[in-house]
Amino acid sequence: QVQLQESGPGLVKPSETLSVTCGVSGYSITSGYFWGWVRQSPGKGLEWIANISHKGRTYYTPSLKSRLNLSFDTSKNAMSLRLSSVTAADTAIYYCARSGSSDWPDCFAMWGQGTMVTVSS
Amino acid sequence: DIHMTQSPSSLSASIGDRVTITCRASQSIATYLHWYQQHPGKAPKLLMSAASTLHTGVPSSFSGGGSGTDFTLTINNLRPEDFATYFCLQTFSTPWTFGQGTRVDI
Repeated sequence: QVQLQESGPGLVKPSETLSVTCGVSGYSITSGYFWGWVRQSPGKGLEWIANISHKGRTYYTPSLKSRLNLSFDTSKNAMSLRLSSVTAADTAIYYCARSGSSDWPDCFAMWGQGTMVTVSS
Repeated sequence: DIHMTQSPSSLSASIGDRVTITCRASQSIATYLHWYQQHPGKAPKLLMSAASTLHTGVPSSFSGGGSGTDFTLTINNLRPEDFATYFCLQTFSTPWTFGQGTRVDI
């Protein structure tokens, strides 16, 4: 059974870099599918952040692109998100997710439980 | 960016009711439209993909339709566990964009 599990720092100071990891169990992350990140600010809606194909091709939302980096850590079978120069507006629950199709970014069919990251001094 | 507008933003219903939520795209997205359900404190769950394809394990009381710019999600015979917030998502083009959500209350 495939499972996704996010982990993060909980609290990040303004102007620093937010780093969140999505550990995957039950499937090799570089074998197939598209993987991505979505965030949800407190009491707000959902915002797509980025996708990465199993081959490492990335797709970033334009509003965050200059601050974003997605990568795989194959030794841990995990995906990492790094967001630099954070502000309070980056406070959110960060979810990782997997596509439904193994070779096309159709939609997010599988989600982790999310990790809350607060940006505050 | 493609803007997704859901309506209503919230609604009140009773057990056994039928409710319909709509999602409108700012431009044609064919059927690259998906519906999610989210309970408080939980991750979103996929209900429907490609506008009308029921995801594995989702009850047949849920149905979806539409293409182009206008889409609907219908829930028949509302059950207690259906009271949640529902979001649409377009994946026709990046950046993927979500609707603002529809909260279904008792």
